[in-house]
Amino acid sequence: KAGVTQTPRYLIKTRGQQVTLSCSPISGHRSVSWYQQTPGQGLQFLFEYFSETQRNKGNFPGRFSGRQFSNSRSEMNVSTLELGDSALYLCASSSDLGTGDSPLHFGNGTRLTVT
Amino acid sequence: KQEVTQIPAALSVPEGENLVLNCSFTDSAIYNLQWFRQDPGKGLTSLLLIQSSQREQTSGRLNASLDKSSGRSTLYIAASQPGDSATYLCAVRGGANSKLTFGKGITLSVRP
Repeated sequence: KAGVTQTPRYLIKTRGQQVTLSCSPISGHRSVSWYQQTPGQGLQFLFEYFSETQRNKGNFPGRFSGRQFSNSRSEMNVSTLELGDSALYLCASSSDLGTGDSPLHFGNGTRLTVT
Repeated sequence: KQEVTQIPAALSVPEGENLVLNCSFTDSAIYNLQWFRQDPGKGLTSLLLIQSSQREQTSGRLNASLDKSSGRSTLYIAASQPGDSATYLCAVRGGANSKLTFGKGITLSVRP
């Protein structure tokens, strides 16, 4: 079974631009969540989706948004990029029915650099 | 607000040593706790998940325990190997539909 796939692996953007990151969960998984990882703050929760509905949202500004499609694939978008948005963005999927009972399976992330 | 702490931030041990990694959390009303491993430049790999009703989980050389009343979990690694070198993170879920809160991790180095 293929794991969680995130594309692209690396991105370099300029301040003020916007970016879209993609995540394909493990086949059959309907829960998808996104995290930002930086050396200073560690792993911080962005948002979580189950069956196209956002279940939870972290404490990030409105420039960060996401969505989930009917095939469970998910995208996150960051608009008006700032230098501080440089981070590893990780996507995870799980087999639970939106209850958080099952282990998370992570992709290898998208490394975003904002210059 | 749940806070998860992992101390120390880094640990170096000789190969073969048994070791314990600690994780503490401030709110004992948790739903479950997970331990993850992260290799450099990679995503996280789930090691063990302990539900709030459980006291411990085992997988191979790994054993994780949970003491909700004291707000602590430990990950025990038996007979450590150089391949165990990685960052180990714990994460707590406060409720069935709530988010995961991560600790900042412990970077483990096992010397041959």
